[in-house]
Amino acid sequence: DAGITQSPRHKVTETGTPVTLRCHQTENHRYMYWYRQDPGHGLRLIHYSYGVKDTDKGEVSDGYSVSRSKTEDFLLTLESATSSQTSVYFCAIRSGTGATNEKLFFGSGTQLSVL
Amino acid sequence: DAKTTQPPSMDCAEGRAANLPCNHSTISGNEYVYWYRQIHSQGPQYIIHGLKNNETNEMASLIITEDRKSSTLILPHATLRDTAVYYCIVRVGSGGSNYKLTFGKGTLLTVNP
Repeated sequence: DAGITQSPRHKVTETGTPVTLRCHQTENHRYMYWYRQDPGHGLRLIHYSYGVKDTDKGEVSDGYSVSRSKTEDFLLTLESATSSQTSVYFCAIRSGTGATNEKLFFGSGTQLSVL
Repeated sequence: DAKTTQPPSMDCAEGRAANLPCNHSTISGNEYVYWYRQIHSQGPQYIIHGLKNNETNEMASLIITEDRKSSTLILPHATLRDTAVYYCIVRVGSGGSNYKLTFGKGTLLTVNP
């Protein structure tokens, strides 16, 4: 599992409330990613980070913010949750250096329900 | 990144080889072919990747055609635990700070007893 822990594993919240999901890694990888997965859409990239305090947007970043204040933690925040953000959220880290070795390892996911 | 085309579903008998095709006719010379799979309710799992040579590891083999326009993932002896969605992804390797993988809909492989 490449030392990736996502928390919480499950969360139910109400529309309009803030929500923060945490991704923690133990292997000092530089690159970390947040994806969401929805039926009919597959996995879509929300945000990613290429170092402490270095982040960039993915294809579905609206309504989400991220922070990376230390290497091991990458936080995803929904400032004001909406029902359209009900999804399964996966964190990933990039392992390896160079084109022949690079690959992503994923966490177990967070099931978020916004009512 | 090049677009990939995979069949939406396939069946395989337990113990037999599973051959999952992927078409990537617009692949560029520096783009790698990656395969991941996702077992129900789990995070995607890396399987294998390659550039132009065939590759084999403890999980699977990857056969890339000479023109690189298609590839086949081979699970040599499929088990029930191999039932999953398999994703074929084409990506420029070592993409630096903007390295990311785009997942399509994949192929649902069902291994039957």
